[in-house]
Amino acid sequence: SAVISQKPSRDICQRGTSLTIQCQVDSQVTMMFWYRQQPGQSLTLIATANQGSEATYESGFVIDKFPISRPNLTFSTLTVSNMSPEDSSIYLCSVEDLTGQNSYEQYFGPGTRLTVT
Amino acid sequence: ELKVEQNPLFLSMQEGKNYTIYCNYSTTSDRLYWYRQDPGKSLESLFVLLSNGAVKQEGRLMASLDTKARLSTLHITAAVHDLSATYFCAVENGGGSRLTFGEGTQLTVNP
Repeated sequence: SAVISQKPSRDICQRGTSLTIQCQVDSQVTMMFWYRQQPGQSLTLIATANQGSEATYESGFVIDKFPISRPNLTFSTLTVSNMSPEDSSIYLCSVEDLTGQNSYEQYFGPGTRLTVT
Repeated sequence: ELKVEQNPLFLSMQEGKNYTIYCNYSTTSDRLYWYRQDPGKSLESLFVLLSNGAVKQEGRLMASLDTKARLSTLHITAAVHDLSATYFCAVENGGGSRLTFGEGTQLTVNP
């Protein structure tokens, strides 16, 4: 299965600043996604990170607030811009494994716990 | 818009007992996932169900899928304390492998 790492694992940021979260996978993957998990809640998909083109955002999420990069098949970044306390959440990247016996498995990174003060 | 509903949302059970978590979804989908999340941790993949009638088992957990009823179940057999966690179902939404998650079921297994 794919091994996913995220940096930073946690951060405390001030209102109005931005934070960039990195997601690194140990193998090439086609599909990468970014999710948000607000405190005590379920997960919500923010966007699909497309390699070589703009990310595809879900309803309620916009590029200006959550710009995403995907420069290659193993790496993506999510920036949380102009943060407010409502952005305090865990941000998780996930990847889909389309190879071999793990077809259609989706694996999640360890998450980045963001607190905005 | 796809909606995914789990019940119960909270489940407290005794060790050794059996119970079932239900996951209903509102529109047709080809794939259903079950995940486990321990407090402060990320999601651990449990099962991927890809077709009607699919059944998968791992240890004390068994998952099944009925695409006609738009229902999946996660059955727990002879629960042990180590199974205490939050369990999420997620449904593939409209292609592109995008997942819509249920609210989660917080399971506590008491000695």
